[in-house]
Amino acid sequence: NAGVTQTPKFQVLKTGQSMTLQCAQDMNHNSMYWYRQDPGMGLRLIYYSASEGTTDKGEVPNGYNVSRLNKREFSLRLESAAPSQTSVYFCASSDSIPGTSENEQFFGPGTRLTVL
Amino acid sequence: GNSVTQMEGPVTLSEEAFLTINCTYTATGYPSLFWYVQYPGEGLQLLLKATKADDKGSNKGFEATYRKETTSFHLEKGSVQVSDSAVYFCALSERSTSYGKLTFGQGTILTVHP
Repeated sequence: NAGVTQTPKFQVLKTGQSMTLQCAQDMNHNSMYWYRQDPGMGLRLIYYSASEGTTDKGEVPNGYNVSRLNKREFSLRLESAAPSQTSVYFCASSDSIPGTSENEQFFGPGTRLTVL
Repeated sequence: GNSVTQMEGPVTLSEEAFLTINCTYTATGYPSLFWYVQYPGEGLQLLLKATKADDKGSNKGFEATYRKETTSFHLEKGSVQVSDSAVYFCALSERSTSYGKLTFGQGTILTVHP
């Protein structure tokens, strides 16, 4: 049981390049999330997927796209990377039930992205 | 909208000292409250949670009480260890929002010296 896995762990891009961050979970969770972590700003939600086949924007979606490929996998794509997207990216999943608020989110180890 | 405010860090303590990290929140409904911990080079993991007013969450010697009257969820530990050095995040999840989305505070860096 690996939990939440992310690839790659580190990536350096040049401005304008594209890439896809991969995330997979093996806990049969319905909901998955992408966050970015910047110094002094906590974690901010980029996109989330409440269930397979649905995706919604979070707090900071500009410059990103997502795909919920199946129940296990949720990818984040940067179409044209910018230096402002230099950050640490975390994927998370939870077994969220509509109308409740107490479900724990499980986090992956993160991807450290630098855009030059 | 929802928001979480944590005490500014970094916090530096000696081993066996008492720890308090303050957390206050703003929410329109009835949130659940969480403390997550991030050890160096790792992702976040749940430390403790409380789902209603006056609940006390506890784990690994850490405690936090859900105080609705002061909208607070302060994290405490009686005697910290070097291994507690990490970043601590307070967060809330509100029932009225969709599917367990979390709102995080900015994080507090804790360093414990021997």
